[in-house]
Amino acid sequence: DARVTQTPRHKVTEMGQEVTMRCQPILGHNTVFWYRQTMMQGLELLAYFRNRAPLDDSGMPKDRFSAEMPDATLATLKIQPSEPRDSAVYFCASGPTLGTPFTDTQYFGPGTRLTVL
Amino acid sequence: GESVGLHLPTLSVQEGDNSIINCAYSNSASDYFIWYKQESGKGPQFIIDIRSNMDKRQGQRVTVLLNKTVKHLSLQIAATQPGDSAVYFCAETHYSSASKIIFGSGTRLSIRP
Repeated sequence: DARVTQTPRHKVTEMGQEVTMRCQPILGHNTVFWYRQTMMQGLELLAYFRNRAPLDDSGMPKDRFSAEMPDATLATLKIQPSEPRDSAVYFCASGPTLGTPFTDTQYFGPGTRLTVL
Repeated sequence: GESVGLHLPTLSVQEGDNSIINCAYSNSASDYFIWYKQESGKGPQFIIDIRSNMDKRQGQRVTVLLNKTVKHLSLQIAATQPGDSAVYFCAETHYSSASKIIFGSGTRLSIRP
């Protein structure tokens, strides 16, 4: 059955290193979301795309985070340089966007657990 | 400010009993609400949604109740099963304005055998 895939599932890196997380949305979905989940902040929206164009990335720290969709089958979230406070689980979700972006069911991937030492 | 909160961080229920998970929201402009279930090691999974023109909506073993007067949302799970063990999040947004979705902090539901 169709599902969102994310790689890697786990990533341990040292402070200052570049981290790239990848997401393959469900085929045919044209809205992609990136979320970050921590115990302290819960689930936070970082950015979202519709038809590969960034609609809103106001939730991302601009100086170190970047999100792109090189094509319809790949979304990337990059952190450079990474910091210990970036340690979290990063989720990608996709949706069909028949209506407004957040009112269509979002299908979440399994997440990437990032640990920055 | 805008916030979506949950009354209880953890809930323990006897298997077979009904579970009720509560959620309070503060943004009066929100008119669309969603419940998500997140199992350990997985991403959130859509359970059920409700628009503000309704006060009740039923799914398979789940019912969402919306009380706009007191800005309260609840998720009822009938005949709770071990597979219902998870963290449950409520979320809110505004349907027409495509405003961002705001997630609550989550309630952990544990099932006693």
